[in-house]
Amino acid sequence: DAGVIQSPRHEVTEMGQEVTLRCKPISGHNSLFWYRQTMMRGLELLIYFNNNVPIDDSGMPEDRFSAKMPNASFSTLKIQPSEPRDSAVYFCASSPQDSAGYTFGSGTRLTVV
Amino acid sequence: GQNIDQPTEMTATEGAIVQINCTYQTSGFNGLFWYQQHAGEAPTFLSYNVLDGLEEKGRFSSFLSRSKGYSYLLLKELQMKDSASYLCAVRDTLTGGGNKLTFGTGTQLKVEL
Repeated sequence: DAGVIQSPRHEVTEMGQEVTLRCKPISGHNSLFWYRQTMMRGLELLIYFNNNVPIDDSGMPEDRFSAKMPNASFSTLKIQPSEPRDSAVYFCASSPQDSAGYTFGSGTRLTVV
Repeated sequence: GQNIDQPTEMTATEGAIVQINCTYQTSGFNGLFWYQQHAGEAPTFLSYNVLDGLEEKGRFSSFLSRSKGYSYLLLKELQMKDSASYLCAVRDTLTGGGNKLTFGTGTQLKVEL
């Protein structure tokens, strides 16, 4: 299995631009999570899908952030418009339902200038 | 919600034993996890406790006391490659299905010669 696949690995964009981060979970995993990691705040859960349905999006910072999971093998996290404070590493993780642990993707390092 | 506390930094000597503590407060506890994260990489799963007691896995062991809201990760025979951030995470089971992990900010362990 290739694991959780995220793209791009690095993204540098100008303030105000739209950014789309992509994630392919491990085949057969029912749950998908988007996390953001910064030095100050650590790993923060942004949104969580179960069987492609958003279950908890209370961590999404504001309306500029949106996430979709159109099918079991693909999810996107979109920021529009982006701001410098959005600069962070964004991780996608997946797990089988009721599993003991998550598998994380390699992350997308986003820099907004 | 959850509140998870762990020390920010620790330093230990190669070959020694180190214990990283974690305390938590949560409304719907369903397991405690430890992850390891090397700089610039994704977190990787180390251990999982859902019942009180000690779980041993090679050089790594994890302990849980649910009544005290307390866990520790014990690393034996420290090696230089163990220098990393160690993340404590608490799982809640959601009514919408599946599970949700909330992470502490991590303990940065430095192993010295």
